[in-house]
Amino acid sequence: DIQMTQFPSSLSASVGDRVTITCQASQDITNLLSWYQQKPGQAPKLLIYDTSNLERGVPSRFSGGRSGTDFTFTISSLQPEDIATYYCQQYANLPITFGQGTRLDIK
Amino acid sequence: QVQLVESGGGVVQPGGSLRLSCAASGFTFSSYPMPWVRQAPGKGLEWVAAISYDGSNKYYADSVKGRFIISRDTSKNTLYLQMNSLRPEDTAVYYCARVRFGQLYGYMDVWGKGTTVIVSS
Repeated sequence: DIQMTQFPSSLSASVGDRVTITCQASQDITNLLSWYQQKPGQAPKLLIYDTSNLERGVPSRFSGGRSGTDFTFTISSLQPEDIATYYCQQYANLPITFGQGTRLDIK
Repeated sequence: QVQLVESGGGVVQPGGSLRLSCAASGFTFSSYPMPWVRQAPGKGLEWVAAISYDGSNKYYADSVKGRFIISRDTSKNTLYLQMNSLRPEDTAVYYCARVRFGQLYGYMDVWGKGTTVIVSS
C-alpha cells in the first residue's frame, strides 16, 4: 500500500497568513494526488485534483504543487471560512489512501 | 443538481449485518465508478470499497474484505454496501462518492452527506 504522510497534523494561523500543508508519498504516484476540505459535520469537498488543478468554483487562493514525491497544498491568504481539516489522497494505486489530515484553525 | 444521498445506517450489535444505500441523481449514474469511504469518530478518512461504472470490477480494503459487498443497481441509480459480521471498529460515518474519471478509482468530485453506523452491544 502507498503510505501518505501528511504534516503538520494541526496548524494555527492568522487571517491573511500564507499556509502550507505537505504530503509525502511512500512511492512514486506521479501527479495523481488530490486535496479535500472537510468542515465539522460535513462531507469532504474536493479542492484540487491531479496535484495542481483547481476544482471549479474553488477560490484561487488555494493551490497545489509537487516536488518528486512531496506534495504541497497552499492557502495564499487565510480566510475565516477556511477553518477546516484538510486531507490529501493518492489515486495512483489501490488501495486508495489518504493522509492523516491537517486541522487548521485561526490564531 | 448532482446529488448523492446515503441511507440505511443505524445501531447494530457486533456480528450483525446492515445494508447501506446511496441514491444518485442529476448525472448518468451508469457512467461513473463509485466508492464508499468511511470516517470513524474523530478520525481520518478511510477508503472502504469501490465498484466500476458497469459493476464488473470491485475492490475492497483489507479491513473489510470478505465481510462487505459493494454493488450497484443502474435501474434504480443506487449504490449499495452490504455489511456483514460487523465489528465495533466498523463504527463510522459512511460516505458514498463519485469518481470523476477512471475505470475503478480516482479522485472523488461528489460526496453524499453520509450515514452513521454504530456497532455496539
